[in-house]
Amino acid sequence: NAGVTQTPKFQVLKTGQSMTLQCAQDMNHNSMYWYRQDPGMGLRLIYYSASEGTTDKGEVPNGYNVSRLNKREFSLRLESAAPSQTSVYFCASSDFLKAFFGQGTRLTVV
Amino acid sequence: GQQLNQSPQSMFIQEGEDVSMNCTSSSIFNTWLWYKQDPGEGPVLLIALYKAGELTSNGRLTAQFGITRKDSFLNISASIPSDVGIYFCAGGAGAGSYQLTFGKGTKLSVIP
Repeated sequence: NAGVTQTPKFQVLKTGQSMTLQCAQDMNHNSMYWYRQDPGMGLRLIYYSASEGTTDKGEVPNGYNVSRLNKREFSLRLESAAPSQTSVYFCASSDFLKAFFGQGTRLTVV
Repeated sequence: GQQLNQSPQSMFIQEGEDVSMNCTSSSIFNTWLWYKQDPGEGPVLLIALYKAGELTSNGRLTAQFGITRKDSFLNISASIPSDVGIYFCAGGAGAGSYQLTFGKGTKLSVIP
């Protein structure tokens, strides 16, 4: 069982570059999420999609955009990367708030 | 926004000892979840709690949903080296909210 799959696993960007983090789940979950994890800060919600066709801002949405491409896929885009966006990014999908996480994308912006 | 206070931040224990950690909030949650994260991996769900007062076990792990709905506890019995990691609590408000609020984690180290 693949569960939640994120690509890429690692990425280095220069300030101002753009990129899209991809996420796909095979559990037929309606809800999907993007979190960032920074040392000592726990997991902070960037954006979520309660169901296909809807997206909403979380706690730290500035500098990010998302697309719920279909029920399986939820992508996160950084239009103009900044060093403050250096972090580990996790995608998750959920069934009645039981969230299941991918393995993360470690992003460094230099 | 809602905040969860998780304690302790870190703990060192001897192999075989029991462990307790907790999570408190000033807000009511209708769902409590406990996760474990190993280095370089995503969080893995350990236990989900849906009712006030609920006590649920998963092997050596036991978690409780506090009666006030503002807290939750996780106990690990007879710790082993593979219990090392960061444990996170998460609360869900429910009532149409799809968001989870996470604590900052308890880092557990087990001394063989």
